[in-house]
Amino acid sequence: DVKVTQSSRYLVKRTGEKVFLECVQDMDHENMFWYRQDPGLGLRLIYFSYDVKMKEKGDIPEGYSVSREKKERFSLILESASTNQTSMYLCASGLGSEQFFGPGTRLTVL
Amino acid sequence: GQNIDQPTEMTATEGAIVQINCTYQTSGFNGLFWYQQHAGEAPTFLSYNVLDGLEEKGRFSSFLSRSKGYSYLLLKELQMKDSASYLCAAPNQGGKLIFGQGTELSVKP
Repeated sequence: DVKVTQSSRYLVKRTGEKVFLECVQDMDHENMFWYRQDPGLGLRLIYFSYDVKMKEKGDIPEGYSVSREKKERFSLILESASTNQTSMYLCASGLGSEQFFGPGTRLTVL
Repeated sequence: GQNIDQPTEMTATEGAIVQINCTYQTSGFNGLFWYQQHAGEAPTFLSYNVLDGLEEKGRFSSFLSRSKGYSYLLLKELQMKDSASYLCAAPNQGGKLIFGQGTELSVKP
């Protein structure tokens, strides 16, 4: 079974803090994705990566950056967290079009 | 442009059949996915259609018509645990998945 894990299920941070969300997959997938999911807005793509050290902006990259130093790990970074970044963050990995999701991190920024 | 449309919410009765529709407009066609997402959990894969027609998988079936840009998910013998959000998604030519808003299905006793 494909396994995608995320470092935290719940996270509470203060405005202005730097936040790291980690995602690890164990299936040697080349493609990895970071989404946020908000009520009424659905899943929105923040960044994605098709290979190590490669990153592409998704639909809403502002306020975020990513890092892919190893194939199995894709990190999402909030340089200076803001309250409008309170959301559910979902990582996914895949081969081709199908994507497998991690359990999600519910981030609250106070 | 790219667009995925599906109803926001539906209600059905335990034991009944429900059909969740999805219309899509994408640049090129690379198949259509359905995911199930329970509240507070990650989406899980249900089905992937590339060819026209109905694909059955137990109580769940998925239908695709490429000429109409239309798909539906059919759930039979509904159970309370089927209450969830159902997401329709289609990959664009860049390989990114474009998701619909999701259809919140409530199954009542």
